[in-house]
Amino acid sequence: EAQVTQNPRYLITVTGKKLTVTCSQNMNHEYMSWYRQDPGLGLRQIYYSMNVEVTDKGDVPEGYKVSRKEKRNFPLILESPSPNQTSLYFCASSPWTGVSNQPQHFGDGTRLSIL
Amino acid sequence: LAKTTQPISMDSYEGQEVNITCSHNNIATNDYITWYQQFPSQGPRFIIQGYKTKVTNEVASLFIPADRKSSTLSLPRVSLSDTAVYYCLVGDMATGRRALTFGSGTRLQVQP
Repeated sequence: EAQVTQNPRYLITVTGKKLTVTCSQNMNHEYMSWYRQDPGLGLRQIYYSMNVEVTDKGDVPEGYKVSRKEKRNFPLILESPSPNQTSLYFCASSPWTGVSNQPQHFGDGTRLSIL
Repeated sequence: LAKTTQPISMDSYEGQEVNITCSHNNIATNDYITWYQQFPSQGPRFIIQGYKTKVTNEVASLFIPADRKSSTLSLPRVSLSDTAVYYCLVGDMATGRRALTFGSGTRLQVQP
């Protein structure tokens, strides 16, 4: 089954304790992206990646890191989490044909609470 | 980046047609318009995508005027299960140079 898998689904942690949210897709998609969703603000893009070893900032990259060492994985890293990073996070992937926009497939989300 | 503006919320009744309009005045030549649906505690799900004129699939239609500064998602004969948040997305992945930005979304409530 084609899917985007995020782990963990829920996490409560404390300020300053490094954490990683994993994202994996089994569709051989080139494009992957991380979003955060906050009440009243919709989805905002954090980082995206056009392919292996190619990443770029989205709208709200501060406080986050990403890496794309393999095509299927795109982990989101919070080196020193703070309470303002408490949010619902989504990973997404899509093909990139180079000639047209492709719909994104989203994971089920990771709810992070930073105390 | 092309910013989008949508109504915050809409109400409808089962069986009615619902039209949700998205404004994107600064849309670029290479930008496509994509609509997603999101239920609580789930990731957004693709509904429909278009570049110009009209696109129709099994669940919705998308109307895009010639100037492409707005678009309208049309849901025929909605049911209770169409209650969700609908997002309009404008962007161009072909160049790989621009991040994609979601609008604030429209919360559709369908009543019996």
